[in-house]
Amino acid sequence: EVILTQSPGTLSLSPGERATLFCRASQSVSISYLAWFQQRPGQAPRLLIYRTSHRATGVPDRFSGSGSGTDFTLTVSELEPEDSAVYYCHQHGSTPYSFGQGTKLEIK
Amino acid sequence: QVQLQESGPGLVKPSETLSLTCTVSGISMNTDSWSWIRQPPGKGLEWIGHIYYGGSMSSNPSLWGRVTVSIDASKMQFSLKLTSVTAADTAVYFCAGGWASDYWSQGTLVTVSS
Repeated sequence: EVILTQSPGTLSLSPGERATLFCRASQSVSISYLAWFQQRPGQAPRLLIYRTSHRATGVPDRFSGSGSGTDFTLTVSELEPEDSAVYYCHQHGSTPYSFGQGTKLEIK
Repeated sequence: QVQLQESGPGLVKPSETLSLTCTVSGISMNTDSWSWIRQPPGKGLEWIGHIYYGGSMSSNPSLWGRVTVSIDASKMQFSLKLTSVTAADTAVYFCAGGWASDYWSQGTLVTVSS
């Protein structure tokens, strides 16, 4: 089973700043099977990034993903108030699929 | 556009079976996989299981064999059965589809209580 550990647990930044979120896997994950989701309160998760670095339809180019092996990163440049949410990494390369525990991004 | 909508009881008694159905529209079901994911109140996401168009199913071992996921593509539906539920199974249940779970339902709260 692949365990995903996200850091930090909470990130508090101001509009216009840059956020860097980390996801570490307990074993290597193919870049084809690493995704990132955004979940705002009371809403379903929304796919942001798939295949490590590909933005889903309609996702602003402020969001970017990178990484390989066991270490992956989601970067949000020039933060906006609506970026306030919990972000989850997700691997779907080997069952059981798994999610990280989430990083809460707060915009001051 | 692609839409997924769950249906099923919002309250299930302990030791009984939780049953949910997800109805899909706007996309063919013969693409990728169809998943169930849940989120206990105030907590993170847990993958429950998935099924492919051809019927191949996989589920999370943490649920101790209590999960069955089935598909009826002719009705554009897939379903979840979770047996022997306890209070720990209280959660918002989502259905999702697509190669990277591109599409999600809005989620439905299922409470396990007598």
